[in-house]
Amino acid sequence: GQNIDQPTEMTATEGAIVQINCTYQTSGFNGLFWYQQHAGEAPTFLSYNVLDGLEEKGRFSSFLSRSKGYSYLLLKELQMKDSASYLCAVMDSNYQLIWGAGTKLIIKP
Amino acid sequence: DAGITQSPRHKVTETGTPVTLRCHQTENHRYMYWYRQDPGHGLRLIHYSYGVKDTDKGEVSDGYSVSRSKTEDFLLTLESATSSQTSVYFCAISDRDTGELFFGEGSRLTVL
Repeated sequence: GQNIDQPTEMTATEGAIVQINCTYQTSGFNGLFWYQQHAGEAPTFLSYNVLDGLEEKGRFSSFLSRSKGYSYLLLKELQMKDSASYLCAVMDSNYQLIWGAGTKLIIKP
Repeated sequence: DAGITQSPRHKVTETGTPVTLRCHQTENHRYMYWYRQDPGHGLRLIHYSYGVKDTDKGEVSDGYSVSRSKTEDFLLTLESATSSQTSVYFCAISDRDTGELFFGEGSRLTVL
């Protein structure tokens, strides 16, 4: 079966750094996506990785290791507005997205 | 932001009644999707469309049907709603088969 695992909830402090991990087992791999979803709102695209390594975009970075079936999303200089759920999704060999259940990130002052 | 709207945004209905949710886009994107989102689960694909009158089933399609008669509209119908279909439904669009999706605001459906 296909599976995406990520922690259910994490807590971090404003101004700090947090790393949200995602491990996956899928039938094939055509890219990994991170989306942000604020409570009661729609998910919005954050990042896409298809090759191994780190992709940096402002305060957010995403890392991928295809051999380990592993990715992480790194958030720096945390702000209160970063409180949200972060969804990891993998595109399988049929170009279908398989979604993790999401990690709820709580930011404390 | 992608022009994508869903209606209704909230609906309460009774078991056994038919329900139709509408997704409308102004981006002329080829691909359209219907997902449901429930606590403790990832987004789960119900149906998707890759063009007018071209649709296919997702992983949780039982009890749902879809139609796409125009590029801009994708309808999701629950033929006879059940309590297990209480959920938040998201429509999404994409202009290519690469996975970057733009989501509608969501439709919260409660089946009593």
